[in-house]
Order: sequence, then structure tokens, then C-alpha cells
Amino acid sequence: GDSVTQMEGPVTLSEEAFLTINCTYTATGYPSLFWYVQYPGEGLQLLLKATKADDKGSNKGFEATYRKETTSFHLEKGSVQVSDSAVYFCALAGGFKTIFGAGTRLFVKA
Amino acid sequence: GAGVSQSPSNKVTEKGKDVELRCDPISGHTALYWYRQRLGQGLEFLIYFQGNSAPDKSGLPSDRFSAERTGESVSTLTIQRTQQEDSAVYLCASSSPRGGGADTQYFGPGTRLTVL
Repeated sequence: GDSVTQMEGPVTLSEEAFLTINCTYTATGYPSLFWYVQYPGEGLQLLLKATKADDKGSNKGFEATYRKETTSFHLEKGSVQVSDSAVYFCALAGGFKTIFGAGTRLFVKA
Repeated sequence: GAGVSQSPSNKVTEKGKDVELRCDPISGHTALYWYRQRLGQGLEFLIYFQGNSAPDKSGLPSDRFSAERTGESVSTLTIQRTQQEDSAVYLCASSSPRGGGADTQYFGPGTRLTVL
């Protein structure tokens, strides 16, 4: 069945460091891919998405490119801030169902 | 409404009691989802509604769990004879699928359930 695998956390970075959170997927068909973020004490919210191969989703300085050839959707940000500390979930959606990865916790130190 | 709301925000109950959790989706969203998130874990799919029907109940962990949706709006998740392993945050999300496919999900703040 469809699945999502993302790198285990926690990831700890200093402010202004470069961030990569790896995400790979297994799916039949052509799913849409998402990154959701859960800030401390808040609910999940969409960060960015891509609906077809080679699409790049971007928001708040974060980017991810839908790579069909490597079945990946890695999340990147060039310069993280303390306010980016959160749990990040990679997800895929095909049909009606969305499948989430286990989440990666990011800590950013000042 | 402005977003997905859930009630109660916190529920503490004793083992063996029944609990009912409520979700109010965004107005007009036809799809509604329930997930469970145990401490430090990812999201576990429980059930999906399209309108008032539940095409996929495969994620419900046992027959103690049930859910319904009425008026293509409010949904309730009921857990009977609660057990300590039911302790988790229960999240509800809604979306407006286009062309029959999944779309962005909008999440509520969750209900934190603690079973003593």
C-alpha cells in the first residue's frame, strides 16, 4: 500500500542554518504531496503542497520539489529561525485518503 | 465557521466510561476525517466521511470506536468502555475534494483524551 517515510528527529539547528528534512514515498498512481506543520500548542496546518511531478511547493521560505524519479519530496529552507521550531509532517494524498509520515521535530536554537 | 472546531478541548475520564468527541467542520466541506495522535507519534487514520457516509472505516482500532456524521456537518466520535491505551489527541480535519480526489485538509485543534 501507499506509504510515507521521513527522517527521524529531533533535528537541532542553530538560527540561520540550512534545513533539509527528507521524505520519500511509495504510491500507486500520481498522488499529491504535502508538508504540514504543527507549531507548539497549535493544530496541524498546511505548509506547502505539490500536485504533480516537478512541481515546487513553497511557503514562508520553505520549498519542496515533487521528484517522481526518486519518489521524494524533501523539505528545505535556506535560513531557519527560532520560530520555525515545530513538528513537520510529510503526507501524500491519492483518492480520498491522506497518508502521513511519522513527523520530524525541529528545534532551532538562537 | 472560520475553521474546524472540536469539543471538548480536554477530556479526562475513568477507564470503562464512554466518551463522545465532537467535530464541527468548515461549512461546505464535504469530506471529514478523524485521526488519532499518540504522544510523540504521527497521525493514525481512523475514519473518513464523504457527506454523511463513511466509505472507509478501516482505521477504527476496535468495535469500541464508532463515528457518525449528520447533515453533512457535525461529526461525533464515540469511544465505549475506554481503556488507558485510548489516551491520545483526537484530531478532526475537513476538506473540499475536487474531482473526487483528496485535497488540502484543514485541522481542528484536537481533543486531548486522558483515560485514568
